[in-house]
Amino acid sequence: EDQVTQSPEALRLQEGESSSLNCSYTVSGLRGLFWYRQDPGKGPEFLFTLYSAGEEKEKERLKATLTKKESFLHITAPKPEDSATYLCAVQGGGGTSYGKLTFGQGTILTVHP
Amino acid sequence: GEEVAQTPKHLVRGEGQKAKLYCAPIKGHSYVFWYQQVLKNEFKFLISFQNENVFDETGMPKERFSAKCLPNSPCSLEIQATKLEDSAVYFCASSQSGVRQPQHFGDGTRLSIL
Repeated sequence: EDQVTQSPEALRLQEGESSSLNCSYTVSGLRGLFWYRQDPGKGPEFLFTLYSAGEEKEKERLKATLTKKESFLHITAPKPEDSATYLCAVQGGGGTSYGKLTFGQGTILTVHP
Repeated sequence: GEEVAQTPKHLVRGEGQKAKLYCAPIKGHSYVFWYQQVLKNEFKFLISFQNENVFDETGMPKERFSAKCLPNSPCSLEIQATKLEDSAVYFCASSQSGVRQPQHFGDGTRLSIL
Protein backbone atom coordinates (compact mmCIF):
# COMPACT_ATOMS: atom_id res chain seq x y z
CA GLU A 1 0.00 0.00 0.00
CA ASP A 2 1.30 3.44 -0.94
CA GLN A 3 2.10 5.73 2.01
CA VAL A 4 2.98 9.41 2.30
CA THR A 5 4.16 11.25 5.43
CA GLN A 6 4.66 15.00 5.53
CA SER A 7 6.60 17.03 8.07
CA PRO A 8 6.34 19.27 9.88
CA GLU A 9 2.57 19.34 10.48
CA ALA A 10 2.72 23.12 10.87
CA LEU A 11 5.39 25.70 10.11
CA ARG A 12 5.41 29.35 11.09
CA LEU A 13 7.86 31.65 9.29
CA GLN A 14 8.64 35.31 9.22
CA GLU A 15 8.39 36.99 5.85
CA GLY A 16 11.68 36.41 4.03
CA GLU A 17 12.69 33.42 6.19
CA SER A 18 13.41 30.52 3.82
CA SER A 19 12.63 26.92 4.79
CA SER A 20 11.75 23.45 3.47
CA LEU A 21 8.83 21.06 3.75
CA ASN A 22 9.41 17.31 3.66
CA CYS A 23 7.41 14.52 2.03
CA SER A 24 8.53 10.93 2.67
CA TYR A 25 6.91 8.20 0.61
CA THR A 26 6.75 4.49 -0.05
CA VAL A 27 5.15 3.44 -3.31
CA SER A 28 5.07 0.48 -5.64
CA GLY A 29 6.32 1.83 -8.96
CA LEU A 30 6.22 5.61 -8.74
CA ARG A 31 4.36 7.12 -11.67
CA GLY A 32 4.49 10.65 -10.29
CA LEU A 33 4.81 12.77 -7.13
CA PHE A 34 2.56 15.80 -7.03
CA TRP A 35 2.65 18.94 -4.89
CA TYR A 36 -0.52 20.93 -4.31
CA ARG A 37 -1.43 24.05 -2.39
CA GLN A 38 -4.79 24.24 -0.62
CA ASP A 39 -6.37 27.42 0.72
CA PRO A 40 -9.23 27.27 3.27
CA GLY A 41 -12.53 26.35 1.64
CA LYS A 42 -10.90 25.58 -1.70
CA GLY A 43 -9.76 22.53 -3.58
CA PRO A 44 -6.09 21.59 -3.97
CA GLU A 45 -4.30 23.75 -6.55
CA PHE A 46 -1.68 21.94 -8.62
CA LEU A 47 1.93 23.15 -8.25
CA PHE A 48 4.41 20.54 -9.54
CA THR A 49 4.82 17.01 -10.83
CA LEU A 50 8.08 15.11 -10.33
CA TYR A 51 8.67 11.77 -12.05
CA SER A 52 12.15 10.51 -11.20
CA ALA A 53 14.89 10.88 -8.60
CA GLY A 54 17.08 13.89 -9.20
CA GLU A 55 14.37 15.90 -10.89
CA GLU A 56 13.74 19.52 -9.81
CA LYS A 57 10.98 22.00 -10.69
CA GLU A 58 10.74 25.71 -9.85
CA LYS A 59 7.97 28.26 -9.81
CA GLU A 60 8.44 31.73 -8.36
CA ARG A 61 9.54 31.25 -4.72
CA LEU A 62 8.96 27.48 -4.73
CA LYS A 63 11.32 24.68 -5.73
CA ALA A 64 10.50 20.98 -5.54
CA THR A 65 13.09 18.21 -5.52
CA LEU A 66 12.81 14.42 -5.55
CA THR A 67 14.89 11.49 -4.29
CA LYS A 68 13.97 7.80 -4.23
CA LYS A 69 12.44 8.12 -0.76
CA GLU A 70 11.41 11.73 -0.28
CA SER A 71 10.60 15.07 -1.83
CA PHE A 72 11.30 18.56 -0.54
CA LEU A 73 9.43 21.77 -1.22
CA HIS A 74 11.82 24.65 -0.69
CA ILE A 75 10.32 28.09 -0.09
CA THR A 76 12.68 30.99 -0.67
CA ALA A 77 11.95 34.39 0.92
CA PRO A 78 8.29 33.59 1.55
CA LYS A 79 5.55 36.22 1.59
CA PRO A 80 2.31 36.24 3.62
CA GLU A 81 0.39 35.18 0.50
CA ASP A 82 2.31 31.89 0.53
CA SER A 83 0.39 30.92 3.67
CA ALA A 84 -1.61 27.76 2.87
CA THR A 85 -1.65 24.02 3.41
CA TYR A 86 0.84 22.24 1.15
CA LEU A 87 -0.06 18.71 0.15
CA CYS A 88 2.14 15.99 -1.29
CA ALA A 89 0.61 13.05 -3.18
CA VAL A 90 1.98 10.02 -4.99
CA GLN A 91 0.61 8.03 -7.86
CA GLY A 92 1.78 4.43 -7.85
CA GLY A 93 1.70 1.80 -10.53
CA GLY A 94 1.26 -1.34 -8.49
CA GLY A 95 -1.78 -3.55 -8.06
CA THR A 96 -5.11 -1.76 -8.31
CA SER A 97 -3.74 1.70 -7.54
CA TYR A 98 -3.79 2.79 -11.17
CA GLY A 99 -4.39 6.54 -11.37
CA LYS A 100 -5.47 7.33 -7.82
CA LEU A 101 -3.50 9.74 -5.66
CA THR A 102 -2.38 8.89 -2.12
CA PHE A 103 -2.05 12.08 -0.10
CA GLY A 104 0.01 13.03 2.92
CA GLN A 105 -1.54 14.88 5.85
CA GLY A 106 -0.22 18.22 4.64
CA THR A 107 1.91 20.98 6.14
CA ILE A 108 0.13 24.13 7.29
CA LEU A 109 2.39 27.05 6.43
CA THR A 110 1.87 30.45 8.04
CA VAL A 111 4.04 33.38 6.96
CA HIS A 112 3.94 36.44 9.21
CA PRO A 113 4.69 39.92 7.83
CA GLY B 1 -14.87 24.90 -19.07
CA GLU B 2 -11.39 25.66 -17.76
CA GLU B 3 -12.16 24.66 -14.20
CA VAL B 4 -13.70 21.67 -12.48
CA ALA B 5 -17.16 22.76 -11.35
CA GLN B 6 -18.76 21.08 -8.34
CA THR B 7 -22.31 21.64 -7.15
CA PRO B 8 -23.72 22.28 -4.69
CA LYS B 9 -21.06 23.93 -2.52
CA HIS B 10 -22.82 22.83 0.66
CA LEU B 11 -25.45 20.11 1.13
CA VAL B 12 -27.29 19.37 4.37
CA ARG B 13 -29.21 16.12 4.85
CA GLY B 14 -30.84 14.34 7.73
CA GLU B 15 -29.48 10.91 8.61
CA GLY B 16 -31.04 8.32 6.32
CA GLN B 17 -31.75 10.73 3.50
CA LYS B 18 -30.20 10.60 0.03
CA ALA B 19 -27.45 12.97 -1.12
CA LYS B 20 -26.39 13.63 -4.70
CA LEU B 21 -23.31 15.60 -5.69
CA TYR B 22 -22.34 16.80 -9.16
CA CYS B 23 -19.07 17.43 -10.99
CA ALA B 24 -18.36 18.92 -14.40
CA PRO B 25 -14.77 18.11 -15.43
CA ILE B 26 -12.50 20.38 -17.43
CA LYS B 27 -13.41 20.23 -21.13
CA GLY B 28 -11.19 17.73 -22.92
CA HIS B 29 -10.29 15.78 -19.79
CA SER B 30 -11.16 12.09 -20.09
CA TYR B 31 -10.61 11.04 -16.48
CA VAL B 32 -12.62 11.95 -13.39
CA PHE B 33 -11.66 11.10 -9.83
CA TRP B 34 -13.69 11.43 -6.60
CA TYR B 35 -12.05 11.88 -3.18
CA GLN B 36 -13.49 12.22 0.31
CA GLN B 37 -11.78 14.57 2.80
CA VAL B 38 -13.01 13.60 6.26
CA LEU B 39 -10.57 15.01 8.77
CA LYS B 40 -8.77 18.23 8.06
CA ASN B 41 -6.36 16.96 5.40
CA GLU B 42 -7.11 13.26 5.07
CA PHE B 43 -8.03 12.48 1.47
CA LYS B 44 -9.56 9.12 0.66
CA PHE B 45 -9.89 7.94 -2.96
CA LEU B 46 -13.37 6.73 -3.85
CA ILE B 47 -13.71 6.04 -7.57
CA SER B 48 -12.41 7.07 -11.00
CA PHE B 49 -13.85 7.11 -14.51
CA GLN B 50 -12.43 7.07 -18.01
CA ASN B 51 -15.14 8.89 -19.91
CA GLU B 52 -18.32 7.05 -18.89
CA ASN B 53 -16.57 3.85 -17.85
CA VAL B 54 -15.60 3.00 -14.28
CA PHE B 55 -11.81 2.91 -14.17
CA ASP B 56 -11.08 2.09 -10.54
CA GLU B 57 -13.72 1.63 -7.82
CA THR B 58 -11.53 0.09 -5.13
CA GLY B 59 -12.26 2.92 -2.68
CA MET B 60 -16.04 2.93 -2.97
CA PRO B 61 -18.17 1.71 -0.06
CA LYS B 62 -20.31 -0.55 -2.23
CA GLU B 63 -23.45 -0.63 -0.13
CA ARG B 64 -24.62 2.97 -0.17
CA PHE B 65 -22.37 4.83 -2.59
CA SER B 66 -22.78 4.93 -6.35
CA ALA B 67 -21.38 7.14 -9.10
CA LYS B 68 -21.92 7.80 -12.80
CA CYS B 69 -20.38 9.76 -15.63
CA LEU B 70 -22.77 9.91 -18.59
CA PRO B 71 -22.13 11.60 -21.95
CA ASN B 72 -23.10 15.29 -22.09
CA SER B 73 -23.99 15.37 -18.39
CA PRO B 74 -22.12 16.24 -15.20
CA CYS B 75 -20.70 13.28 -13.31
CA SER B 76 -22.55 12.43 -10.11
CA LEU B 77 -21.86 10.79 -6.76
CA GLU B 78 -24.89 9.54 -4.87
CA ILE B 79 -25.10 8.36 -1.28
CA GLN B 80 -28.19 6.45 -0.21
CA ALA B 81 -29.32 6.26 3.41
CA THR B 82 -26.69 8.71 4.63
CA LYS B 83 -24.95 8.21 7.96
CA LEU B 84 -23.31 10.71 10.30
CA GLU B 85 -19.86 9.46 9.26
CA ASP B 86 -20.57 10.48 5.64
CA SER B 87 -20.13 14.11 6.72
CA ALA B 88 -17.07 15.29 4.77
CA VAL B 89 -15.94 17.43 1.88
CA TYR B 90 -16.17 15.54 -1.41
CA PHE B 91 -13.72 16.61 -4.09
CA CYS B 92 -13.84 15.85 -7.77
CA ALA B 93 -10.74 16.07 -9.96
CA SER B 94 -10.15 15.63 -13.67
CA SER B 95 -7.08 14.91 -15.79
CA GLN B 96 -6.20 14.45 -19.44
CA SER B 97 -4.87 10.96 -18.86
CA GLY B 98 -5.23 8.51 -16.01
CA VAL B 99 -1.60 8.55 -14.99
CA ARG B 100 1.39 10.91 -14.88
CA GLN B 101 -0.76 13.95 -15.65
CA PRO B 102 -1.80 16.26 -12.78
CA GLN B 103 -5.33 16.00 -11.47
CA HIS B 104 -7.11 19.35 -11.28
CA PHE B 105 -9.54 19.72 -8.41
CA GLY B 106 -12.83 21.49 -7.93
CA ASP B 107 -13.61 23.40 -4.74
CA GLY B 108 -15.57 20.51 -3.28
CA THR B 109 -19.03 19.89 -1.88
CA ARG B 110 -19.32 20.04 1.91
CA LEU B 111 -21.83 17.37 2.97
CA SER B 112 -23.27 17.76 6.46
CA ILE B 113 -25.38 14.92 7.86
CA LEU B 114 -27.52 15.91 10.84
